[in-house]
Amino acid sequence: RKEVEQDPGPFNVPEGATVAFNCTYSNSASQSFFWYRQDCRKEPKLLMSVYSSGNEDGRFTAQLNRASQYISLLIRDSKLSDSATYLCVVNAAPDQFYFGTGTSLTVIP
Amino acid sequence: GAVVSQHPSRVICKSGTSVKIECRSLDFQATTMFWYRQFPKKSLMLMATSNEGSKATYEQGVEKDKFLINHASLTLSTLTVTSAHPEDSSFYICSARGRGLSYEQYFGPGTRLTVT
Repeated sequence: RKEVEQDPGPFNVPEGATVAFNCTYSNSASQSFFWYRQDCRKEPKLLMSVYSSGNEDGRFTAQLNRASQYISLLIRDSKLSDSATYLCVVNAAPDQFYFGTGTSLTVIP
Repeated sequence: GAVVSQHPSRVICKSGTSVKIECRSLDFQATTMFWYRQFPKKSLMLMATSNEGSKATYEQGVEKDKFLINHASLTLSTLTVTSAHPEDSSFYICSARGRGLSYEQYFGPGTRLTVT
């Protein structure tokens, strides 16, 4: 079983739509969780850390469900500029990071 | 956020030559740096983890004699691709994690290596 599993998509949504991505992880001892955004031919950029209580940053909401071992990212009011690949990253130990394969999002005008 | 630079951003070299890629943390001390490679439309693949002042830990299947990693200071790690071959052509990305920055990784802009 993979450490982190993520639906690769692609997700094609119209502008203004709400879209949600989930990511499951296998190591119940994992401590830190992140969502990164990667544009084509660019490096990943940290979008948000995911906290136990859930956190929101503008149109983006991240949640963690430890019981079911998944994290989610919700994007409201999608913009064309949100088109990218979204990577979930799980930190299982101080120098052990596991990446999902990424979920591709295309926002259509 | 923390800034990581990487140099060069693009390099084209001939088969058999060696290429050095530098990764620097500009505004924080990077206790740990990671090196990844990424093929088109594929996920990041961790190559090795390096801690300042100690030998890098390589992932299974990554040849340590081919991909030499040096993490000589808290702000600099280098990856040298030795005797490069066309199959080494890829996008190489470093990331750094700093003391006191929780467990977030900050990525460099990547180096696109083409071996002809």
